[in-house]
Amino acid sequence: DQQVKQNSPSLSVQEGRISILNCDYTNSMFDYFLWYKKYPAEGPTFLISISSIKDKNEDGRFTVFLNKSAKHLSLHIVPSQPGDSAVYFCAATNTGNQFYFGTGTSLTVIP
Amino acid sequence: GAGVSQTPSNKVTEKGKYVELRCDPISGHTALYWYRQSLGQGPEFLIYFQGTGAADDSGLPNDRFFAVRPEGSVSTLKIQRTERGDSAVYLCASSLSARGNSPLHFGNGTRLTVT
Repeated sequence: DQQVKQNSPSLSVQEGRISILNCDYTNSMFDYFLWYKKYPAEGPTFLISISSIKDKNEDGRFTVFLNKSAKHLSLHIVPSQPGDSAVYFCAATNTGNQFYFGTGTSLTVIP
Repeated sequence: GAGVSQTPSNKVTEKGKYVELRCDPISGHTALYWYRQSLGQGPEFLIYFQGTGAADDSGLPNDRFFAVRPEGSVSTLKIQRTERGDSAVYLCASSLSARGNSPLHFGNGTRLTVT
């Protein structure tokens, strides 16, 4: 049972434009949501997180939005850069014991 | 500073053999996690340690899989009687504490191939 879903396996964006990656979840008990970035042959790297008591968190070019009523979150990257090309995983937890990951979205930023 | 270190980076073994995968977490991180990632999938939870004890091993697929962390630092994931379906990238992660606001820091993984 997939509790965190990323329905877009891939996304292509022109350099300088906005990238929007989406994630849906089913468990209303999740209290933290995280985004990870993964390059080939490397482990996932933490990017940004958001608590369930907030609806937005911003860090430089990266902003995460949370819509609890829709059980949906999104990651906005603006402006997108070629170095942002990677696989992005959405993750969620309600205890910190287990983090549930989506299947990932492969982002390609075209120069 | 040093990140999470996993050895070996690659392991090829024959079906039925025993393998050990090692994880050296970030110094001072009390929580340690093992995940498994198959092609086209996200990381899948296996087990989590808080200190020396396995606080949650509900993700281990069967009793062929076992993990230890005897001194609360380095951890070893052990797989007995390996099967071809065990082939995957095994990821280790550590965090300061097992809380949602303490993100996981992953190693580069061990790619296990069972032939």
